[in-house]
Amino acid sequence: EAGVAQSPRYKIIEKRQSVAFWCNPISGHATLYWYQQILGQGPKLLIQFQNNGVVDDSQLPKDRFSAERLKGVDSTLKIQPAKLEDSAVYLCASSYGGSTEAFFGQGTRLTVV
Amino acid sequence: GIQVEQSPPDLILQEGANSTLRCNFSDSVNNLQWFHQNPWGQLINLFYIPSGTKQNGRLSATTVATERYSLLYISSSQTTDSGVYFCAGPRNSGNTPLVFGKGTRLSVIA
Repeated sequence: EAGVAQSPRYKIIEKRQSVAFWCNPISGHATLYWYQQILGQGPKLLIQFQNNGVVDDSQLPKDRFSAERLKGVDSTLKIQPAKLEDSAVYLCASSYGGSTEAFFGQGTRLTVV
Repeated sequence: GIQVEQSPPDLILQEGANSTLRCNFSDSVNNLQWFHQNPWGQLINLFYIPSGTKQNGRLSATTVATERYSLLYISSSQTTDSGVYFCAGPRNSGNTPLVFGKGTRLSVIA
């Protein structure tokens, strides 16, 4: 069974530029999460989707971050404009149905200079 | 929602030694997960443990939900065990996202 796929693996951008990350969850997983992990900390939730609907985006900085999950499968997370403090690893995870067991992709390491 | 504390924050072991990592929760928790974050940043699932004890090779985990803690045991540690270990539990009941601790950074030296 294929795992959660993310791209790109690494990205370096200048502040005020925009960037987008892509995630394809495990086949059949209705729930998709985006987490932000700052160096030295545990991952923190940005947004949770159930199929193509948003369940929780209370921690998403909506002035600069946006996410969508069209057709309830893969998802895109965008940052525009990026700030230095957005430097982090962005992790996508998915889970099956009503289970809370989450499976994570390899992450995208973003560096904003 | 719950809060998660992990201890110790850092641990250095000689290869072959055993260790215990602890995770405390602010509230009763079910369906706790343990992860190993490898040097490339990927979170590898170790255990999904609603309650009780599970074992997988040299690793085992025990969760006592009513006392709000979980333990991860690593026996006969190897250098490949190095990395950061995270525990996480659902924020609330139902299909809610995971809340993570700050992790335990384990270094196993030969």
